[in-house]
Amino acid sequence: QKEVEQDPGPLSVPEGAIVSLNCTYSNSAFQYFMWYRQYSRKGPELLMYTYSSGNKEDGRFTAQVDKSSKYISLFIRDSQPSDSATYLCAMRVSGNTPLVFGKGTRLSVIA
Amino acid sequence: GAVVSQHPSWVICKSGTSVKIECRSLDFQATTMFWYRQFPKQSLMLMATSNEGSKATYEQGVEKDKFLINHASLTLSTLTVTSAHPEDSSFYICSAPTPSKAEAFFGQGTRLTVV
Repeated sequence: QKEVEQDPGPLSVPEGAIVSLNCTYSNSAFQYFMWYRQYSRKGPELLMYTYSSGNKEDGRFTAQVDKSSKYISLFIRDSQPSDSATYLCAMRVSGNTPLVFGKGTRLSVIA
Repeated sequence: GAVVSQHPSWVICKSGTSVKIECRSLDFQATTMFWYRQFPKQSLMLMATSNEGSKATYEQGVEKDKFLINHASLTLSTLTVTSAHPEDSSFYICSAPTPSKAEAFFGQGTRLTVV
C-alpha cells in the first residue's frame, strides 16, 4: 500500500459544479496536510494547508482533514474553467521532513 | 505569501555538459530545501534533501555524483546535473518549508532538455 493514495482521474465537471477531491493515507504520523494546484509545466502552487483534524475554508476552497479515518478532502465551490489543473495532496510528519505526495487528480472544468 | 524562486525556467544543453539550477527563498530563510523530479503526467518524486552547511541527503536510487547539491546559504540551494544525458531530461522542482515549518512553497520548476 502506498503512503498516500489519490485517484488520478481525470475528473471533468461543468462550470459552477462543486468538486470534491480526496486522498487517503496510511502513516498516522502525518501532521501537516496540504493541497497544491499545478498547471501544466509550472511548479505546484500552495492552495491550502491544515494541521490536525477539522475544516479550513478560504474563498471557494474548503479543506477537510479526518485523522481518525486517515482521509483528507478538498472542496471547490462554484468551479471555474480556470480551476482546470492537476490537484496534488501532500503531507508531512514534521517541518523538516519532505512532503509525501499523492499522484494528483487532473480536473477539467467545462464552460 | 512566501516566495521561492527557481532559475532557469527552462534549459537545453548538449549531452555531456553540466547544468546548474538555482533555488532561492526570497523572503525567508530555509535551512532545508527539497529537490524533486517530475515526469510528464506523474507526481513529484523526491530526489534529495538539501541542508544548509552540511551534505545533502539523497533518496535511494539517486546518484549523488550526478546530481550535485550545494546549500551554501540560508536562501540558496543549487542542483547541478553533471555529464547530462538525454534520460536526464525532465522537470526539476525545488521546495522550501517556511520558518513556521508548516507550509512548503515550490519554485516555478526547470524544464531540462538534453540533446
